[in-house]
Amino acid sequence: GENVEQHPSTLSVQEGDSAVIKCTYSDSASNYFPWYKQELGKRPQLIIDIRSNVGEKKDQRIAVTLNKTAKHFSLHITETQPEDSAVYFCAASIGNYGQNFVFGPGTRLSVLP
Amino acid sequence: DAGVIQSPRHEVTEMGQEVTLRCKPISGHNSLFWYRQTMMRGLELLIYFNNNVPIDDSGMPEDRFSAKMPNASFSTLKIQPSEPRDSAVYFCASSHSGVAEAFFGQGTRLTVV
Repeated sequence: GENVEQHPSTLSVQEGDSAVIKCTYSDSASNYFPWYKQELGKRPQLIIDIRSNVGEKKDQRIAVTLNKTAKHFSLHITETQPEDSAVYFCAASIGNYGQNFVFGPGTRLSVLP
Repeated sequence: DAGVIQSPRHEVTEMGQEVTLRCKPISGHNSLFWYRQTMMRGLELLIYFNNNVPIDDSGMPEDRFSAKMPNASFSTLKIQPSEPRDSAVYFCASSHSGVAEAFFGQGTRLTVV
């Protein structure tokens, strides 16, 4: 089955700096790659996603890149703010409609003021 | 819509007791997922339903766990008998086929003593 690895497990950056989180997946059939943000004590919420027919997607300060050949995808956050502090999960899915996600282990991001 | 609704929010039970977690998906969503979150194992997919039918239950840890979805607006996850190692946050999520984003409920924090 699908296996998703995620690095780093923890990341600390200064406010205003950029943060990059990287994930790799094992199943070349995976076609949907969402990123979820989970604040302490709250539910995971989707922040951005990308499909296998697209190499890059951007939404304000957040961007995701996908390299299908290498089977890895990355989350980029620019101009980080304290409210970006959370655990970020990547996921990969091989369902027809992207449902049965396999999540990475998560990255705890701390943005220091 | 109120989103995915889970009950109870917190459950404390003694080892050996039966525990039932409940989930009401977003109206119109036809896919439902149960996840378990622990520090050690992260977010694990336990079981996934599509149109009320269990599609993949390979994540269910053992026979003590069972899940049902009797109709499109309700699902249960039952643990019988419960054990201390079942202590975790259990999330229910739903999505609509063709729109891959999964919306998570608030979760149920289960503590088995």
